[in-house]
Parts: sequence; structure tokens; C-alpha cells
Amino acid sequence: EVQLVQSGAEVKKPGESLKISCKGYGYSFTTNWIGWVRQMPGKGLEWMGIMYPEDSVTKYSPSFQGQVTLSVDNSISTAYLLWSSLKASDSAMYYCVRALRDGSGTYIDNWGQGTLVTVSS
Amino acid sequence: QSVLTQPPSASGTPGQRVTISCSGSSSNIGSNYVYWYQQLPGSAPKIVIYRDNQRPSGVPDRFSGSKSGTSASLAISGLRSEDEADYYCAAWDDSLSGFDVFGTGTKVTVL
Repeated sequence: EVQLVQSGAEVKKPGESLKISCKGYGYSFTTNWIGWVRQMPGKGLEWMGIMYPEDSVTKYSPSFQGQVTLSVDNSISTAYLLWSSLKASDSAMYYCVRALRDGSGTYIDNWGQGTLVTVSS
Repeated sequence: QSVLTQPPSASGTPGQRVTISCSGSSSNIGSNYVYWYQQLPGSAPKIVIYRDNQRPSGVPDRFSGSKSGTSASLAISGLRSEDEADYYCAAWDDSLSGFDVFGTGTKVTVL
């Protein structure tokens, strides 16, 4: 069974750095796209970025380019989402997703349970 | 800000048919596939329609998708209480270097 298991909730202060993780189980981690979706409180879904672990090809949404960094550690089938300096507006639920891309669309077939990030002074 | 526009809400009584629209442009819906996701309260989303009108296994045939030009629709027939959720369309957008966008989302309420 395919599973994406995310790290636990985080409470941080503005300006701090943060790395959250997502470990894939039950499938070939390196040959499936893995991405991140943000959901701010009471709001809709927003694509942040997506990466192909085998060759580290990464695509960022223009809204998130330069704001976050995606990375992976293929040896432990884990994807990461990194912030170097958090802002209060980064407070949100973050989902990691497994996705299938075919040149005309992206099919998210598995979602992690979500990691809630709260940034407050 | 999303480039795919959905009505904020839709509602119906049990057994009725509800339709949700998703309006885009030639760079997204007009030239790429549309996907629909259901998000039940307090849960992660799950896909209900892919490639415009295909249903993943396990999704009831009460859910159907269609597309015409730069708009797409999700229909839920025989509405049930467990269909009360937020629904999001999504599509690849050629103007974003082949990146995807989600719609603004529609809250479906079963009266």
C-alpha cells in the first residue's frame, strides 16, 4: 500500500528556519513525482512545487519560487520542504503528494496526512 | 490567486443532482486535462475525476466530469450526505511553464 507519512506539527517564530519531511512507503520513491501543496486556514489548495527524485528535476509555482526549497534524500525515500526564514503568513497546513505527470496534466493519487505549521511571535 | 474560477458554494437535497463549474482559459482547461479533488472536513483531499471525465476505481459513478472549451464541470447525481465537502478543479497551465493550478474551490452542502 502506498503511504506518505509526514512529520509532526511545528510551532516556530518569525525568522526561524524549518524543514518538514515526507517519507514514502510502498512504491518506487525515485521514479514518481513528489510535490507539496499549501492550504492556509479556511482557504483553498495551492501548488507549491514538485520534484522528480531520480534526477532532482524541480518545478516551483511562480508564487513560491525563492520562498521555499524542495529536496529529497533518496536513500531514505524522504522528501523535504525547507524555509530559511519563516513569516507569519507561512502558517498553514502543508500536504506532500505523490503525482503522475504526463505532459498534459498532473494526477495526485496519494496525499500525506498534512503537517500544520504555525508561525507566531 | 487562482486562474481557475469556481462558485464558492453549491447545495442540494439528498437525491438531487448538483453541478460545479470551473472556468479557465486556453492556456489551462482549453489545452490540458482537468482533475477534480474532494476534501472532506478535516481530511486530506482525494481525487474523484481525472483526465476530464475518468473516475478512479472506488469512486462512485454518481460523480462525473465533463469539459467544453475553457470550462469544465463536476456533477454529483443522487446527492448523499457524505458528499458534503469542498471540491477543487485543477489543470496544467501552459503559461506557468507547465505547472499546475487549483481552482478556487466550491463548498457543497447537502441540505
